[in-house]
Amino acid sequence: DVKVTQSSRYLVKRTGEKVFLECVQDMDHENMFWYRQDPGLGLRLIYFSYDVKMKEKGDIPEGYSVSREKKERFSLILESASTNQTSMYLCATDGGLNYGYTFGSGTRLTVV
Amino acid sequence: GENVEQHPSTLSVQEGDSAVIKCTYSDSASNYFPWYKQELGKGPQLIIDIRSNVGEKKDQRIAVTLNKTAKHFSLHITETQPEDSAVYFCAATPGTGNQFYFGTGTSLTVIP
Repeated sequence: DVKVTQSSRYLVKRTGEKVFLECVQDMDHENMFWYRQDPGLGLRLIYFSYDVKMKEKGDIPEGYSVSREKKERFSLILESASTNQTSMYLCATDGGLNYGYTFGSGTRLTVV
Repeated sequence: GENVEQHPSTLSVQEGDSAVIKCTYSDSASNYFPWYKQELGKGPQLIIDIRSNVGEKKDQRIAVTLNKTAKHFSLHITETQPEDSAVYFCAATPGTGNQFYFGTGTSLTVIP
């Protein structure tokens, strides 16, 4: 089974801090995604990547950036954390339409 | 882009009864429709999916139906059990770029 590992389950950061959320997959999947999940809003796509060093903006990229230096690792960066970025962040990988997405367990980020 | 609407947002059923969750989509190019189950503290997990060339798919107590003309698809859970209690998300993708568009989720509670 594909395994997607998010480095932290819970994070508490201060406003203005630079925050790194890490995601690692153990399959050779090209596609990786970062979503945020908020009550009543479902899952919203922040950024995605089809290959190393490639990135595409999703629906809500403002305030975020990403890095993909290696195929298995996709990092989400909050350049200057704000309280409205308090949320659950989910990483996913996609091996093609035969598999659908596989999600990590999520990182619940609180910005104070 | 694609817009996926999901209803109801909350659903309570007695153990043993059936549960139905409905989704509509807007992009007629969408051709893959997965359903995810998210248990407390975990990431969403794929439970069933359907492609646009199929009208219905069943896996034990879970079934999904698709009406391409009306652009809606539904999840049916029969003989519900307490362990079915979770948040369920529908999704749709046109297949281009593999970006999935998610519904806002349904919180299902099965009452013993």
